[in-house]
This record gives sequence, structure tokens and C-alpha cells, in this order.
Amino acid sequence: DTAVSQTPKYLVTQMGNDKSIKCEQNLGHDTMYWYKQDSKKFLKIMFSYNNKELIINETVPNRFSPKSPDKAHLNLHINSLELGDSAVYFCASSPTGAPTGEQFFGPGTRLTVL
Amino acid sequence: GDSVTQMEGPVTLSEEAFLTINCTYTATGYPSLFWYVQYPGEGLQLLLKATKADDKGSNKGFEATYRKETTSFHLEKGSVQVSDSAVYFCALSERSSASKIIFGSGTRLSIRP
Repeated sequence: DTAVSQTPKYLVTQMGNDKSIKCEQNLGHDTMYWYKQDSKKFLKIMFSYNNKELIINETVPNRFSPKSPDKAHLNLHINSLELGDSAVYFCASSPTGAPTGEQFFGPGTRLTVL
Repeated sequence: GDSVTQMEGPVTLSEEAFLTINCTYTATGYPSLFWYVQYPGEGLQLLLKATKADDKGSNKGFEATYRKETTSFHLEKGSVQVSDSAVYFCALSERSSASKIIFGSGTRLSIRP
């Protein structure tokens, strides 16, 4: 009965590789997000999708490409991985028009680029 | 733009001590305010929230009051436990269609037995 799930939990890869992280939510929410958390725990939003449409696209290298096949899924594909991409990536979701703006987070994917 | 500033950590306390983690915000409108908690190795969980001025959010013995006049939302707990050791994030959300949350930098709390 996991609300927001991510796979994989850990991802170790070499520089230059391409990798994907998957996210699924079973809360019936319309909006999903990707965040990056660096080693100092600072959280930065990367993307947001509402009903499969991109609505937030922060300053992120175009090596990062989100894909939303349906409103319950938001995957993150990363091309040509770099050392600086090492971080924990969190997926989150929220209902559209939520008056309080609360978001529900997945457990995170720790990406290590060697 | 909107922003959240919270006290830098780490904060180390003994069990049963009183906790305050300061948080102030800058916003153009009337945001909702949140405290999220991240336990080791886990994702963020909503701890408490307040949606308008003078609202008090509370959960698990933690409290925070939305103070519009001082643009603050300080987190307090009267008696902390070892299990409260975590990273705490203050955050705000403007009521726009994008539902974007802006997080503070996080405060790591460690409680000694």
C-alpha cells in the first residue's frame, strides 16, 4: 500500500552512462515532481508534471529528461551522467489545486556516479 | 522571490530537553507553511502545517504557529526523544496552480540519550 514508490533505491554507475529512475504514485494525484537533494541535504525542485503536462522546469541541464506516460507515473532519464549528478533524487505528488499545497514524497533514489 | 530561512544545524540536545528550530519566510502572497521531517535513509514526511495567520499546526508533540507579523513559523517541542533525531525542513507553498513548495536548507537534530 505504498503511496509514492521509486525504483531503484540505490543506483551506482559510471560517468557517461545513461540511467533512468522510475516513480509511481497510487494516491490518485494529478501532479508529480522530481527533487534533487545534495550532500548537504539541500532540496531543489527539478520538474513538475500535471496530468502528463510539464508545468515546472527549473534550471536543469537538458541531460535530464522527465517522462510521464500517465498521471500515476513520472520517470526521470539522465543522459551522459556526470560526477556532480551524484545525489538523492526524490519523487513527490500532490492533488491538483490542493489548497494547502502539501506534497507526498517517495523514499528517494541514491545515485552515485563514479 | 519567495524564500525560507531556517537556523543552521546541527542541533544537539539531551533527551527531554526543549526544542526550538527557527524559521522565517519571505512571500508575496499568503502562503501555506509546513514542517517536513526526514528520518535517516527515508523520504520527507509532512510533520505539521498551517494555512493562515495565527493557525497552529501540531503533531507528535511538535507545534508551530503561523506568525504573519514576524513572518515566522518556529518549530517547538517541549520534551524531545532520541527518536526525534532527523533533519527538519521548513517550507512554504504559494497557492498557485503549480503548487510549488520552497524548502529551507534543513536543520539536522541529534538527541543524546
